[in-house]
Formats: sequence, C-alpha cells, structure tokens
Amino acid sequence: GQNIDQPTEMTATEGAIVQINCTYQTSGFNGLFWYQQHAGEAPTFLSYNVLDGLEEKGRFSSFLSRSKGYSYLLLKELQMKDSASYLCAYMDSNYQLIWGAGTKLIIKP
Amino acid sequence: EAGVAQSPRYKIIEKRQSVAFWCNPISGHATLYWYQQILGQGPKLLIQFQNNGVVDDSQLPKDRFSAERLKGVDSTLKIQPAKLEDSAVYLCASSAGTGDVDEQYFGPGTRLTVT
Repeated sequence: GQNIDQPTEMTATEGAIVQINCTYQTSGFNGLFWYQQHAGEAPTFLSYNVLDGLEEKGRFSSFLSRSKGYSYLLLKELQMKDSASYLCAYMDSNYQLIWGAGTKLIIKP
Repeated sequence: EAGVAQSPRYKIIEKRQSVAFWCNPISGHATLYWYQQILGQGPKLLIQFQNNGVVDDSQLPKDRFSAERLKGVDSTLKIQPAKLEDSAVYLCASSAGTGDVDEQYFGPGTRLTVT
C-alpha cells in the first residue's frame, strides 16, 4: 500500500531551527525526496536520501531511517523566504514518486 | 538552461466543456510526467512518458482524460468533458531519464477552475 504522512502546518520564528517530520509505510522503497513549494509555484527539489543518515546542504539537512520509515527535513537560521510548503515523497518499487500532502511552514519575525 | 514550460497558466471553464494543456520539457529530457495537485494535497501522478511511450497511466481517468507526447518532446493533456472535481493545478515535470532515480523538474503549472 501507499501511506505517507507529514504535519499539515508548522510555525517557527525567523533565525530559529525547525524540523519537519515525514513517516511512510511501503513494501518497496527507492529513496525519499524533499521538495519546497512556494504558494502558487511549482515544487523545487531540495534533497534525496536513499541510505540511512543525515545529508547536509547549506542551511537545509535531511535525515532518513529506513528501518523506522522516517525522515525529517531540518531548516536552520530560518529566513522569511523559507515560508513555503515542504513536500516529502518516497520512490516506490516501480520508481514512482508517492507524495505527502505537504507541510505549510509559516515563519514569523 | 530553460526550464519546463507550460501553458496556459490559468484557465476557467464550465463543467462539461473541454480543455487542453501544453507542456514543453527541458531539452533532452526523455521522461515527462503530468501531475494533478488539488489544493492542500500533494501531486498525484496522472501519466508518465518515456520518450513518446507511456510508462504508467494507471491513475489517469481515461473516460475523460487523454494525453499524448508526439515525437517524444512536447506533450498535451486534455480533459473532455470537465467536471467540477477537476479543479486543480496541473503540473508537468521532466527528468533526464538516464537512470531509475532522476530529479524531476517542474513547470509552473496550469491552474484549472471548473465552474
């Protein structure tokens, strides 16, 4: 089956750190993607994890635990422009992306 | 490098009318995807092309939706006739298609409103 969950909305303060969690259940797995989507715009690629552990890319880091079906996206030194929806998606055994509904991140000054 | 182009950006039609969307992928990208994204949800794959062949169309409502990718480049997605529940953003994406796991690049989308 296809099941992927992430919080609907989160609020954080400019300059702070926020962690967006994503859990999934699947019998076939070929990696997990995080995309950023600003309101009214197309999703843009942030990260891809296929092995367990933390991948760091500037202010953004992504973590994966395959045994737990769990990933998180960590955003540091938050800026107002980080206000967006963050979509996690896993790639199934057919190499198709199965998307979560997205987490709307609101940054307050 | 030019990105994925889509047109129109916005479309408003009445139910039972027809509509067509156009997508031009990144040059050289073999794989093209059409997604439907309803407000507040993640994208849902409608159809995937590899060059001009269909890889997956299992979630395409074939009684009203059709898509083609002639010559393995541009693609069109058509809805005929439209229903109220078709109101959504239709995203086109492309990837290089050189491996099983490719980053997908999205176009700006077409926002369809069916009244």
